[in-house]
Amino acid sequence: DAKTTQPPSMDCAEGRAANLPCNHSTISGNEYVYWYRQIHSQGPQYIIHGLKNNETNEMASLIITEDRKSSTLILPHATLRDTAVYYCIVGGYQKVTFGTGTKLQVIP
Amino acid sequence: NAGVTQTPKFQVLKTGQSMTLQCAQDMNHEYMSWYRQDPGMGLRLIHYSVGAGITDQGEVPNGYNVSRSTTEDFPLRLLSAAPSQTSVYFCASSYSGTSLLAKNIQYFGAGTRLSVL
Repeated sequence: DAKTTQPPSMDCAEGRAANLPCNHSTISGNEYVYWYRQIHSQGPQYIIHGLKNNETNEMASLIITEDRKSSTLILPHATLRDTAVYYCIVGGYQKVTFGTGTKLQVIP
Repeated sequence: NAGVTQTPKFQVLKTGQSMTLQCAQDMNHEYMSWYRQDPGMGLRLIHYSVGAGITDQGEVPNGYNVSRSTTEDFPLRLLSAAPSQTSVYFCASSYSGTSLLAKNIQYFGAGTRLSVL
């Protein structure tokens, strides 16, 4: 699986959009990008995934650059419940490693 | 449909004791894996399995054994517990571990919190 690089922490004001970046410059042409989040000590929860096109679901939007070397997870209106650690994963099959993710703090 | 079930939720062991952490899934997933998470750290892959009868090592396999005799179950064994194995253990499963194109969304259990004294 390709390696990913994420900032260790970010803050976001409640109600504003949270934009979480992820670099994955060694991604292969047919590897998906997945995003998960972990709230407090719970098990990680799947958010969204994509291959080439931008994706949106009820939780978030995923923007993948044209060269696929980076992506951004967007939480359009962050709430306090979105405070969590967000993990960007590439590949998602076989030996899946998570890294340390980005700790997002949503501030009232 | 219970998803991924881990037992026990909490466990305290003495150094040198052995135990098995149980993980079961009812989604007919081929891929299952075990992670450990130390305080303030990310998840580290211990062992994984791409199907019944097939297992392989992850990033931190030492001190742990696994086997996969059925699709549903993937137990993690600590043969001789050490204080360094104090951690939260998560089990996960996904649809397929062998296809690049498969949408391998992982589903996680609630975790087992293990303390080794």
